[in-house]
Amino acid sequence: EVQLVESGGGLVKPGGSLRLSCAASGFTFSSYSMNWVRQAPGKGLEWVSSISSSSDDIYYADSVKGRFTISRDNAKKSLYLQMNSLRAEDTAVYYCSRRLGDWFDPWGQGTLVTVSS
Amino acid sequence: SYVLTQPPSMSVAPGQTARITCGGNNIESKSVHWYQQKPGQAPLVVVHDDSDRPSGISERFSGSNSGNTATLTISRVEAGDEADYYCQVRDSSTDHWVFGGGTTLTVL
Repeated sequence: EVQLVESGGGLVKPGGSLRLSCAASGFTFSSYSMNWVRQAPGKGLEWVSSISSSSDDIYYADSVKGRFTISRDNAKKSLYLQMNSLRAEDTAVYYCSRRLGDWFDPWGQGTLVTVSS
Repeated sequence: SYVLTQPPSMSVAPGQTARITCGGNNIESKSVHWYQQKPGQAPLVVVHDDSDRPSGISERFSGSNSGNTATLTISRVEAGDEADYYCQVRDSSTDHWVFGGGTTLTVL
């Protein structure tokens, strides 16, 4: 079964940092591009970042560029999102997902990040 | 940046057909993907590449894309179809992935 499990969310103060992880299983992780998508409470989906299978191609939404860093460890079948200079508007559930073509499947269950003083 | 526009909400009676639209400039030149999200759950793709249905998704879900509008059609709507639905495309000019604002489908 293809599965993605996020971890690392929590409460952090504005300006703080947090590192999210996503553990993959049930598929050849090193063959697929991966992504982070977030959803603020009661709001819609927002794409955050994408990384190619070999980490050669990395993309960020304008809202996080320069503050967030996506990375992966194919040996550990893991995806990461380093989030620095966090703001209140970064409060959201963060989902990792596998990219098939230009669509996302499956998605993890998400991890909640709350930025508040 | 590329913008996708969806109606915030719509209602349909059980057994009827729901058509959820997704508007974008010349969207027919892009591949459109649709996700269903039920409360407290992660999104689930129900249609990809305009009209392809993943295995395990009911044939009641179908998609089309023409001109400036893509449409997700749900036939013979059931109570279990009540959810938020999002369209999504890749903006190749910026290498960004874009979601519509989402449509909440209520089954009366």
